[in-house]
Amino acid sequence: EAGVVQSPRYKIIEKKQPVAFWCNPISGHNTLYWYLQNLGQGPELLIRYENEEAVDDSQLPKDRFSAERLKGVDSTLKIQPAELGDSAVYLCASSSRAPPDTQYFGPGTRLTVL
Amino acid sequence: AQSVSQHNHHVILSEAASLELGCNYSYGGTVNLFWYVQYPGQHLQLLLKYFSGDPLVKGIKGFEAEFIKSKFSFNLRKPSVQWSDTAEYFCAVHSGGYQKVTFGTGTKLQVIP
Repeated sequence: EAGVVQSPRYKIIEKKQPVAFWCNPISGHNTLYWYLQNLGQGPELLIRYENEEAVDDSQLPKDRFSAERLKGVDSTLKIQPAELGDSAVYLCASSSRAPPDTQYFGPGTRLTVL
Repeated sequence: AQSVSQHNHHVILSEAASLELGCNYSYGGTVNLFWYVQYPGQHLQLLLKYFSGDPLVKGIKGFEAEFIKSKFSFNLRKPSVQWSDTAEYFCAVHSGGYQKVTFGTGTKLQVIP
């Protein structure tokens, strides 16, 4: 069974540019999470989807971040415009059921904003 | 707001030493507790979890954790560590009606052969 797929794995951009991250969860997993992980910190939840509905986006900085999960499968997280402080690893995870349930994590996308 | 504390940021042990990593949370209601591990170059993966029942739960690779409600703690233990246990360990707590998830800051464990 394929795991959670994320792309790109690495991204370097100039500040004020837009950037997008893509996540393909494990087949059949209805719940999808996006996290931000700064160096030396644990994952911080940005948004959680149940199918195509964003059920918890309270931590998503909506002035510059947006996310979508069309058809309840793949998801895209976008930052526009990026700031220096957005440099971090962006993790995607999925679970077969609503929380609490085991999350399966992707490899993450390491973003560097110059 | 929910918070999760892992006070040990970096632990160095010799092989065969016993391990205990602390995890404390702040939420006073019902919680569901997880330990995740990230081995070098790998994804975060589940080590063990507690939802209800016996407060002593066993996970993969000989790890166990004990939920002590009165202390708001879910400490991870292993009686004898191996070099292959070198990894970063994260405690995670689901709480509240929305089962909001909060991760601790992680503990890096280095096991010296």
